[in-house]
Amino acid sequence: GENVEQHPSTLSVQEGDSAVIKCTYSDSASNYFPWYKQELGKRPQLIIDIRSNVGEKKDQRIAVTLNKTAKHFSLHITETQPEDSAVYFCAAGGIDTDKLIFGTGTRLQVFP
Amino acid sequence: DAGVTQSPTHLIKTRGQHVTLRCSPISGHKSVSWYQQVLGQGPQFIFQYYEKEERGRGNFPDRFSARQFPNYSSELNVNALLLGDSALYLCASSLLQGLLSPLHFGNGTRLTVT
Repeated sequence: GENVEQHPSTLSVQEGDSAVIKCTYSDSASNYFPWYKQELGKRPQLIIDIRSNVGEKKDQRIAVTLNKTAKHFSLHITETQPEDSAVYFCAAGGIDTDKLIFGTGTRLQVFP
Repeated sequence: DAGVTQSPTHLIKTRGQHVTLRCSPISGHKSVSWYQQVLGQGPQFIFQYYEKEERGRGNFPDRFSARQFPNYSSELNVNALLLGDSALYLCASSLLQGLLSPLHFGNGTRLTVT
């Protein structure tokens, strides 16, 4: 069945360092890949998304890369700050379907 | 602009009871999706509604049902509650059908079944 694997489950970095979170999806029909940030007790917030017609997208300190052949996509956060600490979820879905399949989440801790 | 609003924020029910959760989408959004998030896991798709019609259903039992109203708000109903239904129920709205436009989540309803 459809599945999205996400690694690592926890990630601790020093402020200013980079953080990378990786996801693998199983459904080759997937063509939309959003990333959500969820702080404790709060709603998931969309931070960046990519569609399959591009291989990379950047928004300030955040970038996402996509390798459709390998069915991999990754989130890169540069110059991390303590306020980046949260749980990050990747997800995959088809533009012509109705649902997102989420990964299991990565708890990112940025130490000052 | 108001975001997606959900009510109630918290709810405690006992096994066998039923529950109704409510969601108001962002103004102008015609699509509403429901997701279940068990503690420590990613959200799982339950339903999507667009223009008052069910457009997608996840792998949940028939005890789960939903509907969308003419003003695009939505209700999620769960009958015969089980302990395993305890979770955060998230509603998301989007401008277009399916994943043609990004999903914006509400703060969720935390349901506890005892």
